[in-house]
Amino acid sequence: AQSVTQPDIHITVSEGASLELRCNYSYGATPYLFWYVQSPGQGLQLLLKYFSGDTLVQGIKGFEAEFKRSQSSFNLRKPSVHWSDAAEYFCAVGHPRYSSASKIIFGSGTRLSIRP
Amino acid sequence: KAGVTQTPRYLIKTRGQQVTLSCSPISGHRSVSWYQQTPGQGLQFLFEYFSETQRNKGNFPGRFSGRQFSNSRSEMNVSTLELGDSALYLCASSLDGTTEGNYFGPGTRLLVL
Repeated sequence: AQSVTQPDIHITVSEGASLELRCNYSYGATPYLFWYVQSPGQGLQLLLKYFSGDTLVQGIKGFEAEFKRSQSSFNLRKPSVHWSDAAEYFCAVGHPRYSSASKIIFGSGTRLSIRP
Repeated sequence: KAGVTQTPRYLIKTRGQQVTLSCSPISGHRSVSWYQQTPGQGLQFLFEYFSETQRNKGNFPGRFSGRQFSNSRSEMNVSTLELGDSALYLCASSLDGTTEGNYFGPGTRLLVL
């Protein structure tokens, strides 16, 4: 069955420290991969996406993610977090050929807190 | 370019009532999708509209319905509200699907008492 797993429900890091949020997926083929961020009371904002090509993807707000086919992972990283990065982060996968919102599967989210 | 807008932002209803939520996509976007977000179930796909036609529907009861107008604006309706319908309802738009990623609105928070 297709699924997305974000094993960390809640992570706290110190401001200025590096960050890595984990995402693993189970899919029949290499899916399209996304990371979204949701600030309190807000909708989701697309941070970055991977369709094909270079496995290291740069996104907005200084985030990057690396696709590792052998590990079925798409982990999100940031070298130095800022207090404004406190939010909930969602990993998602989409079908590589069937372009439809119904085919997007979201992970359960990781809540990021920043320690001053 | 203006983003996705949703109205109203907050809504309180009582059980048995019905509610209509509105979504205006980014200009030029023809696909609108709706999601329900709850702490227990996470993000769940409700339906997708493309050029006024429902393209896909998620696993929700018939009380949940939607439509899309010729200007791509979309509405979703929930009839006979239940307590469990309390959620954040998110609308997302994209040019013609999701290959480039959805652009989400801020959501409508519905509380059913």
